[in-house]
Amino acid sequence: DTAVSQTPKYLVTQMGNDKSIKCEQNLGHDTMYWYKQDSKKFLKIMFSYNNKELIINETVPNRFSPKSPDKAHLNLHINSLELGDSAVYFCASSQAKTGGTDTQYFGPGTRLTVL
Amino acid sequence: AQSVAQPEDQVNVAEGNPLTVKCTYSVSGNPYLFWYVQYPNRGLQFLLKYITGDNLVKGSYGFEAEFNKSQTSFHLKKPSALVSDSALYFCAVRDTGRRALTFGSGTRLQVQP
Repeated sequence: DTAVSQTPKYLVTQMGNDKSIKCEQNLGHDTMYWYKQDSKKFLKIMFSYNNKELIINETVPNRFSPKSPDKAHLNLHINSLELGDSAVYFCASSQAKTGGTDTQYFGPGTRLTVL
Repeated sequence: AQSVAQPEDQVNVAEGNPLTVKCTYSVSGNPYLFWYVQYPNRGLQFLLKYITGDNLVKGSYGFEAEFNKSQTSFHLKKPSALVSDSALYFCAVRDTGRRALTFGSGTRLQVQP
């Protein structure tokens, strides 16, 4: 059974379009994250939700909007896609522990290509 | 602010030889340190973490890492490399009280047969 799953795996779209990426975890975790990996493989946090509440919102254009319908799902919607949005987007989840000792488990990634 | 440095873009090692992938960190509080591995076109897989206690941490696939507080380092090691260990390795740190991981730039490990 896949612990953290993302759909779609690949997404190719034109500039200016709006697209969504979905993430689901079946680990029973209460915290979920979105990370972006650029073409040089740098990984950077974008957002995090704990029990459906936004707890991390890094400096990300407001074209990106996360939504968490329940604690097992965290979706990422992107409006007006730009060339620079091309990247691999990773979802992750963890069971939050005091002090931050929890381990994050990552999904397989969604490779977004904006043409 | 927390940061991680992986000084080597690539490490080459012959199969059967020991390997080391270097990582140094900077945090303001107590560090929680993690190693992840990424195989081509795959997600990140958790290898091991240091929270507290013994400075030598053992993880998956025979990997271990040594926490050195005075040198602010957390190097990943394996006594005998396998060709299948070839992948991209990321060190990450989380400061006490922060939720997000800060990742290093990654080190590509190439194990030659």
